[in-house]
Amino acid sequence: GQQVMQIPQYQHVQEGEDFTTYCNSSTTLSNIQWYKQRPGGHPVFLIQLVKSGEVKKQKRLTFQFGEAKKNSSLHITATQTTDVGTYFCAPNSNSGYALNFGKGTSLLVTP
Amino acid sequence: DGGITQSPKYLFRKEGQNVTLSCEQNLNHDAMYWYRQDPGQGLRLIYYSQIVNDFQKGDIAEGYSVSREKKESFPLTVTSAQKNPTAFYLCASSSIEGRSSGYTFGSGTRLTVV
Repeated sequence: GQQVMQIPQYQHVQEGEDFTTYCNSSTTLSNIQWYKQRPGGHPVFLIQLVKSGEVKKQKRLTFQFGEAKKNSSLHITATQTTDVGTYFCAPNSNSGYALNFGKGTSLLVTP
Repeated sequence: DGGITQSPKYLFRKEGQNVTLSCEQNLNHDAMYWYRQDPGQGLRLIYYSQIVNDFQKGDIAEGYSVSREKKESFPLTVTSAQKNPTAFYLCASSSIEGRSSGYTFGSGTRLTVV
């Protein structure tokens, strides 16, 4: 499956600060999904990006897909303690249906 | 409510014993998946199935087996051949037609082998 690298591995911010996690691939992706896993929980689907240069927003979360479809990012504006968790990107290959997940970025937000 | 159920939530087994983890979904999803998660790691694909009576190996299938006799069920057996079975196991399902809606995950089973 297609492999991606997520950076940073960990991020600790003060509540109200912004946060960004990046997902980078050496190959062109057909699409990419993002998931959030709260501590002790299971991953929950956030969004899918398909088009080159696509930007989607969900309240304080902004998702971008690079022009070359080789990278993606998730930006959280003014973090809250409810944003704590691990954020995973998961690219989809052109064949088959099984996602390969990045190692994730663990976000800790202190009040 | 539609969803995906994994049981049990916690499981303890002695080394050398086979153990089967249950996964049931009532979402009418065609595809089902098993992932393994270790502390600080991402999700690694064990097996997946797109249709009843058919399944494919993922990246770390050695020491595991699955069956897909019914659309709703995709049990995973962790065999004694799996060298390091202690982990968090996650089952997921998805609609093939509506892949843009992502995977639905169960709440997971934490397996500890002593």
